[in-house]
Amino acid sequence: NAGVMQNPRHLVRRRGQEARLRCSPMKGHSHVYWYRQLPEEGLKFMVYLQKENIIDESGMPKERFSAEFPKEGPSILRIQQVVRGDSAAYFCASSPWAPGTSGARQYFGPGTRLTVL
Amino acid sequence: QQQVKQSPQSLIVQKGGISIINCAYENTAFDYFPWYQQFPGKGPALLIAIRPDVSEKKEGRFTISFNKSAKQFSLHIMDSQPGDSATYFCAASLEETSGSRLTFGEGTQLTVNP
Repeated sequence: NAGVMQNPRHLVRRRGQEARLRCSPMKGHSHVYWYRQLPEEGLKFMVYLQKENIIDESGMPKERFSAEFPKEGPSILRIQQVVRGDSAAYFCASSPWAPGTSGARQYFGPGTRLTVL
Repeated sequence: QQQVKQSPQSLIVQKGGISIINCAYENTAFDYFPWYQQFPGKGPALLIAIRPDVSEKKEGRFTISFNKSAKQFSLHIMDSQPGDSATYFCAASLEETSGSRLTFGEGTQLTVNP
C-alpha cells in the first residue's frame, strides 16, 4: 500500500507565476488535508477536503490560494501570482476516517518545497 | 484557544540519555494528542499518540506522559540514540470529530551526540 504521494517534490517559481501542487492520498483514504510549514516553524493547517467537497478552509489565505479534490485524480493546491512569502514546504496528509472509527490519525506525504524567486 | 505550546525549541542530549519534550494546550475539548517525528527533507511521521483517558503510554523507548488537569503532555525518549536526531512536533485534535485538523506545536530540534 503506497503512502501519500506528492509532486513535484521541489518547485521553483518566479513572482507572479502560478504554482500547482498535487497530492494523491493513500489507497482507501477519502480525507485530505493540506498544511504549510514555513522555515523554522511548525505546520499550520490550511484546508480539509473530501472528494468533491471543501469541508474546512479556515486556514487558507483569503486570496490567491485554492484547493480541490475531484472525484477522479489527485488533490490540487493552487497558488496564483506567487510572492516570496509563499516559499515554504507544503504537506498533504490523508486520513481513512469513517463514522465510528478513529479519525485523527493522519498520514503525511513527503511534501513539496516551493521556492519563489 | 487552539494553540499548542511546545518546549524546548532545541535540545542536545548525549547518547544513552533521556530526551524530554513538553507541550501545553488550551482547548480542553482536544481529545487526541499525537507526536510526530520529522527528518530533514521528509514529511512528519506519527511516532506515538495518547488519548486523555490514560496518563501514560509507552511504545518501545518512547513514552507519552499526560496530565489532564494541567493540560500538559510530554514525550520521553529513553536511551536516546544519534538516529533519534530529528525535529519532534506535538499536536492535538478533536478525534471524534470528522476531519478534525491537527494543531501543531512549534517543534523541538533534538540532537543526540554520539
